[in-house]
Amino acid sequence: NFMLTQPHSVAGSPGRTVTISCTGSSGNIAANYVQWYQQRPGSVPTTVIFENNQRPSGVPDRFSGSVDSSSNSASLTISGLRTEDEADYYCQSYDDSTHWVFGGGTKLTVL
Amino acid sequence: QLQLQESGPGLVKPPETLSLTCTVSGGSITSSGYYWGWVRQPPGKGLERIGSIYYSGAAYYNPSLQSRVAMSVDTSSNQFSLKLSSVTAADTAIYYCVRHISLGHFDYWGQGILVTVSS
Repeated sequence: NFMLTQPHSVAGSPGRTVTISCTGSSGNIAANYVQWYQQRPGSVPTTVIFENNQRPSGVPDRFSGSVDSSSNSASLTISGLRTEDEADYYCQSYDDSTHWVFGGGTKLTVL
Repeated sequence: QLQLQESGPGLVKPPETLSLTCTVSGGSITSSGYYWGWVRQPPGKGLERIGSIYYSGAAYYNPSLQSRVAMSVDTSSNQFSLKLSSVTAADTAIYYCVRHISLGHFDYWGQGILVTVSS
């Protein structure tokens, strides 16, 4: 079964840049789109990146996404860290057109 | 504005069947290209896929739950449903209903409903 692996936690200081990785267990992660969701404590997840690097309306351009076929991984980069960015972040992609999967989630702490 | 709302019992006894319904408002469940799914999140843990269904009735489930899961669609009521049989305490979670396109992101989520499995 296709799986996505994320670091358990990352941390950064306000104003700095952090990157969260998402590594596919097999195949080519670039074969299907990768999405990223932000979940603040007690809230419903919301999309911050879809289709690898697209931002929904209202998501600041401090959030960016990329995919690297050579490492079979995707990344979410948050620049100019703010305290409100502190949340859990989940990557999500597809094994095929009908089977989707989430990564285990990464807790971002803004120090 | 599309809205999804989960409903169902908040407490289920093991090994009974968990039944939830998601009501879609502000749009049609028969909109072409859109899938309707369920995601769950055990307390303090990550998101877990349950499965998705198209309005035609074609359903796709997480292999680890496939033997216990059934999803259905009621187009006349603009609702879709989840049944999870033989529940145990490990099925205690917040259950979210979601919308997505094939190979796309989950653009609408319900507010979530906490279901506790306990005798």
